[in-house]
Amino acid sequence: NAGVTQTPKFRILKIGQSMTLQCAQDMNHNYMYWYRQDPGMGLKLIYYSVGAGITDKGEVPNGYNVSRSTTEDFPLRLELAAPSQTSVYFCASRIRTEAFFGQGTRLTVV
Amino acid sequence: AQTVTQSQPEMSVQEAETVTLSCTYDTSESDYYLFWYKQPPSRQMILVIRQEAYKQQNATENRFSVNFQKAAKSFSLKISDSQLGDAAMYFCAYRSPRDDKIIFGKGTRLHILP
Repeated sequence: NAGVTQTPKFRILKIGQSMTLQCAQDMNHNYMYWYRQDPGMGLKLIYYSVGAGITDKGEVPNGYNVSRSTTEDFPLRLELAAPSQTSVYFCASRIRTEAFFGQGTRLTVV
Repeated sequence: AQTVTQSQPEMSVQEAETVTLSCTYDTSESDYYLFWYKQPPSRQMILVIRQEAYKQQNATENRFSVNFQKAAKSFSLKISDSQLGDAAMYFCAYRSPRDDKIIFGKGTRLHILP
């Protein structure tokens, strides 16, 4: 099992560009999450999903969109990137108690 | 809404000594889950320990143990015999069984002094 795989690991975007952060898990987990971690801060929940076809907003959803068409994949879409979206993004999945995390995507918007 | 508070942004401990990291949370629920995650410089999030709120017994994993005080809504992490490899950011987290959100505190950066 690869666990939770995030791509890309690093990306630089220009203001106003769009991109999709990919997240895939091969553990057949129902629950998936997207977080952002700003420097020196904790993780803020952006969106989460309790199963294919179901998504819900977290603490900081503005500027982002998600979809969950399959159990394995949970992509995060940034439309019209802004400098405030410069952060490290983590995807996580869960089947029972604790969440398992990907290695993160460092995104810089310039 | 649930919140998680870690009041110690940074802590230092001498190698081989014991250190306790604090975490408090706010919730109106009676059943929930609490976690401590470790984030070393590699950025990987690693589960250290978990506690189910319905269990009165404090969880233990080798050198890591918790002091879970449900009435006080407190969930501290004790690291015994600190090792250089314990240096990391430590995050306290709360999961509600009602809406499945996992909420994190701001973290405590732990330094291990040789």
